[in-house]
Amino acid sequence: SSELTQDPAVSVALGQTVRITCQGDSLRSYYASWYQQKPGQAPVLVIYGKNNRPSGIPDRFSGSSSGNTASLTITGAQAEDEADYYCNSRDSSGNWVFGGGTKLTVL
Amino acid sequence: QVQLQESGPGLVKPSQTLSLTCTVSGGSISSGSYYWSWIRQPAGKGLEWIGRIYTSGSTNYNPSLKSRVTISVDTSKNQFSLKLSSVTAADTAVYYCARGSVGYSGSYSVYFQHWGQGTLVTVSS
Repeated sequence: SSELTQDPAVSVALGQTVRITCQGDSLRSYYASWYQQKPGQAPVLVIYGKNNRPSGIPDRFSGSSSGNTASLTITGAQAEDEADYYCNSRDSSGNWVFGGGTKLTVL
Repeated sequence: QVQLQESGPGLVKPSQTLSLTCTVSGGSISSGSYYWSWIRQPAGKGLEWIGRIYTSGSTNYNPSLKSRVTISVDTSKNQFSLKLSSVTAADTAVYYCARGSVGYSGSYSVYFQHWGQGTLVTVSS
């Protein structure tokens, strides 16, 4: 079982703001990274560190953290943002772990 | 731009050993401070970290797979490899190789910026 917990599914109306969360004790000490995965494709890194976006990732993606919860926020969700989103960090033993994933539907 | 490409058999028999190789291009596997990693994803399920090998050669494995996993590196070929022994149908998945990094900006973070396209391995007789 994952030590990072995500809601299985979230939906958002086109153009609205959505927050996807990731909970875990290790997030009190370590930032989460976030990945977007579309069907049949490899995951793509969208947020890492405190709130860093790799080159090419739109600025509507942002990250934040509070206590044991990390959040990925999409401000003004677009149809192409519909995907599965995974958080990633390390656990208390130093192993790397992924959250179970959140399926984002854009209505 | 770093690129990774997985290769290996797409079909493995139960109880045998799964062997995959990841070829890295666009940079030397022995330079920098990176964690060359394997991650898998069963159909319709989430991502599972399998393990990593650091530039220095040190390894760390997912405790749930540790007894069956070996990750090694061949710097002369700019490749790293995964061996998973005693496979069962539960090991059927898309296997990804990825380059992991650790950053620090007040707190540490781990992240995978570069991924292979993934390769499907089916365990079946």
